Amino acid sequence: DTGVSQDPRHKITKRGQNVTFRCDPISEHNRLYWYRQTLGQGPEFLTYFQNEAQLEKSRLLSDRFSAERPKGSFSTLEIQRTEQGDSAMYLCASSFSRVNTGELFFGEGSRLTVL
Amino acid sequence: AQKVTQAQTEISVVEKEDVTLDCVYETRDTTYYLFWYKQPPSGELVFLIRRNSFDEQNEISGRYSWNFQKSTSSFNFTITASQVVDSAVYFCALQGARGDTGRRALTFGSGTRLQVQP
Repeated sequence: DTGVSQDPRHKITKRGQNVTFRCDPISEHNRLYWYRQTLGQGPEFLTYFQNEAQLEKSRLLSDRFSAERPKGSFSTLEIQRTEQGDSAMYLCASSFSRVNTGELFFGEGSRLTVL
Repeated sequence: AQKVTQAQTEISVVEKEDVTLDCVYETRDTTYYLFWYKQPPSGELVFLIRRNSFDEQNEISGRYSWNFQKSTSSFNFTITASQVVDSAVYFCALQGARGDTGRRALTFGSGTRLQVQP
């Protein structure tokens, strides 16, 4: 059984470029979350999907950020016109709604560096 | 607004010492959940526990124990007889119905880095 996988693990880009991250959740998990973590801080919630529906979005998610989960399986997070302030670790997590432990399973993250 | 405060930025102990990580939270919700997660050097957050706001019983799991006190809005985590493998960053988190971003979002504290020296 594989856990949550994220790709790429590291991305270095120049300011103004677009980047896309992919998350493959645990296969039977219907809930998927994106968080962002900067150095020395705790993760900050970005958005949440149940199946293919995006049900919650943080005010942190500016219009340069868009997330999709087209078939209720993998998800992508795209950042357009990247800024240096976007440099962070982007974490994906998944869970199964029928298991009521509240446990989120996190991936290892995609680290973004914007030069 | 919800808030989680972990005032201890870094703690260093020697193996076999007991250590307590503090967590104080703020919420206007009457129903909420509190969590602890561990982030080892590999970076992957690992779930440790979830507590319901109506359940103030302390919990023990092996060397780990949690003390939930609603009166002081605290949810502290104690590791007994610490080991080098306990070295990690530990996050306390809160989930409530009236979070800024919805009921599913976790609000994390800034974490406490625990270093256990051999």
